[in-house]
Amino acid sequence: AQSVTQPDIHITVSEGASLELRCNYSYGATPYLFWYVQSPGQGLQLLLKYFSGDTLVQGIKGFEAEFKRSQSSFNLRKPSVHWSDAAEYFCAVASPEYGNKLVFGAGTILRVKS
Amino acid sequence: KAGVTQTPRYLIKTRGQQVTLSCSPISGHRSVSWYQQTPGQGLQFLFEYFSETQRNKGNFPGRFSGRQFSNSRSEMNVSTLELGDSALYLCASSLGGQVQETQYFGPGTRLLVL
Repeated sequence: AQSVTQPDIHITVSEGASLELRCNYSYGATPYLFWYVQSPGQGLQLLLKYFSGDTLVQGIKGFEAEFKRSQSSFNLRKPSVHWSDAAEYFCAVASPEYGNKLVFGAGTILRVKS
Repeated sequence: KAGVTQTPRYLIKTRGQQVTLSCSPISGHRSVSWYQQTPGQGLQFLFEYFSETQRNKGNFPGRFSGRQFSNSRSEMNVSTLELGDSALYLCASSLGGQVQETQYFGPGTRLLVL
């Protein structure tokens, strides 16, 4: 079965500092990987996704993520965090074998201090 | 294009009652998925509908059901409500229901069961 682990429940960074949110997945083949962001009281917005090809993917709002097969990881990064980035971030995995179903990690709450 | 809309946004029910939530996908999207979000269990997949057929189902009891209409609008129903059904219910739509497609989420319906 697929599973996703986000080891950090909360992360606090200073505005302007770099950010890395960790995500590890468990799946036999190469999964389809996603990062979503959820602001308070809002639905989820897709930041980026990876299926194949270049292991470094660029997303919206200046985010990027790197797929590392050997580590079963798909970490999200941003070089300089803005106060508006404060939100909850979810890593998700899907596979054609399981249909169009996203399996989400527990989420990481990002706090940005000025 | 208008985004995914969900009605109602907030709902309060008592134990034993039933509830129906509605989701209107983005125009032209044929796949609608439902997710339950709770602080304890996180985001969990309920089911997916494509062209009026349930194509995939998560691990929820039979009290949770859904349907999709010919215009792709979807409803989910929860019968005999329990306190543990209190959650944010999110729906997501995608164009053809393929795994690699972006799923667009609505703002959710927040259900409180008293």
